[in-house]
Amino acid sequence: DSGVTQTPKHLITATGQRVTLRCSPRSGDLSVYWYQQSLDQGLQFLIQYYNGEERAKGNILERFSAQQFPDLHSELNLSSLELGDSALYFCASSVSGGEVDNEQFFGPGTRLTVL
Amino acid sequence: AQTVTQSQPEMSVQEAETVTLSCTYDTSENNYYLFWYKQPPSRQMILVIRQEAYKQQNATENRFSVNFQKAAKSFSLKISDSQLGDTAMYFCAFERNNDMRFGAGTRLTVKP
Repeated sequence: DSGVTQTPKHLITATGQRVTLRCSPRSGDLSVYWYQQSLDQGLQFLIQYYNGEERAKGNILERFSAQQFPDLHSELNLSSLELGDSALYFCASSVSGGEVDNEQFFGPGTRLTVL
Repeated sequence: AQTVTQSQPEMSVQEAETVTLSCTYDTSENNYYLFWYKQPPSRQMILVIRQEAYKQQNATENRFSVNFQKAAKSFSLKISDSQLGDTAMYFCAFERNNDMRFGAGTRLTVKP
């Protein structure tokens, strides 16, 4: 158990819908990262937040957005869902923002299925 | 942009033997981190080993060790005394400035 929690574990929805994935980092971690793992794209970094502010951006679509709240939990919002958005979405957390030794701890993931 | 290549989609090894998984990467940066992650059937991402690019000494964690060749941009993982529980997908990853790039993965099967 990494200490990172993600809810829900599974989510099934229809095309065109909007969903929100939630992540709670390990106690004391200030950074949260979101990743997408799909069959055709592999594992991709989406976005990072550090202490409430966006720190780094990867291959995140404009239909996707994220935020980190004052209690440091984070939400990933996926809108206008398409079949290709079906994937396993991981959240990871780390102590720092990346300037120094910055091991990331992964949550168990949320399996999103778009029908 | 940094890319990570794992040229072995699948590998198998007999229990108790040694196996090496290959990884190469492309970057013009000098300071970065390299990782090997294990993803068993549970889909949990588990850190196996990490290497800081500025350290010349190869990282070792029990049965897992790496061969880091910075000039060649190579980062292979050696698993000694393979165990059935090592069966998993293994991902090589490159990280700099919080942007982590993963390879496509190698599916390792340990046979009894």
